[in-house]
Amino acid sequence: DQQVKQNSPSLSVQEGRISILNCDYTNSMFDYFLWYKKYPAEGPTFLISISSIKDKNEDGRFTVFLNKSAKHLSLHIVPSQPGDSAVYFCAASVSGGKLIFGQGTELSVKP
Amino acid sequence: DTEVTQTPKHLVMGMTNKKSLKCEQHMGHRAMYWYKQKAKKPPELMFVYSYEKLSINESVPSRFSPECPNSSLLNLHLHALQPEDSALYLCASHQSLAGHISSTDTQYFGPGTRLTVL
Repeated sequence: DQQVKQNSPSLSVQEGRISILNCDYTNSMFDYFLWYKKYPAEGPTFLISISSIKDKNEDGRFTVFLNKSAKHLSLHIVPSQPGDSAVYFCAASVSGGKLIFGQGTELSVKP
Repeated sequence: DTEVTQTPKHLVMGMTNKKSLKCEQHMGHRAMYWYKQKAKKPPELMFVYSYEKLSINESVPSRFSPECPNSSLLNLHLHALQPEDSALYLCASHQSLAGHISSTDTQYFGPGTRLTVL
């Protein structure tokens, strides 16, 4: 049973445009959501997080939106840069529980 | 400083070897984790230590043996591994006092050890 789903295994975007990565979850008890970026053969790097009491969190070019009624969150990257090309993992947790990861979306930003 | 360090970066071992992976953090975090990650898959949780005590073992085979000598260090001892154990092994830490994720802290990952079992 996959509680966190990233249905797009890959996404290709032109440099300078917006990248939108999506994540759906099934467990309404999740109260904290994170996005990690991963380059090949490296550990995941924390990007941005959001608590379930918020619907938006912004950090520079990165914005995460949370729609609790739809059990959906998204990561927006504006403007996209070639260095953003990586695999992006969405993760969720319930206080008192462990991180549950999605399967990842591979973003390719083309010059 | 949000740095988690891991050594070695790469490790090749035979199925009869004994080796250890090391992880270190100096952020004062009291929860530390071992994950295993195969290519293009999400990290799979193996072990969680909270206040230097093992709090979660995700039914990991006994050929993997974790150890937490102190609050800054985490080891993973390897013995009699199989080729299918080849993967990227990741260490992570976070600050939570209860050993669980809360809404105010974040789990930080190390760069990983790329393990190849021949």
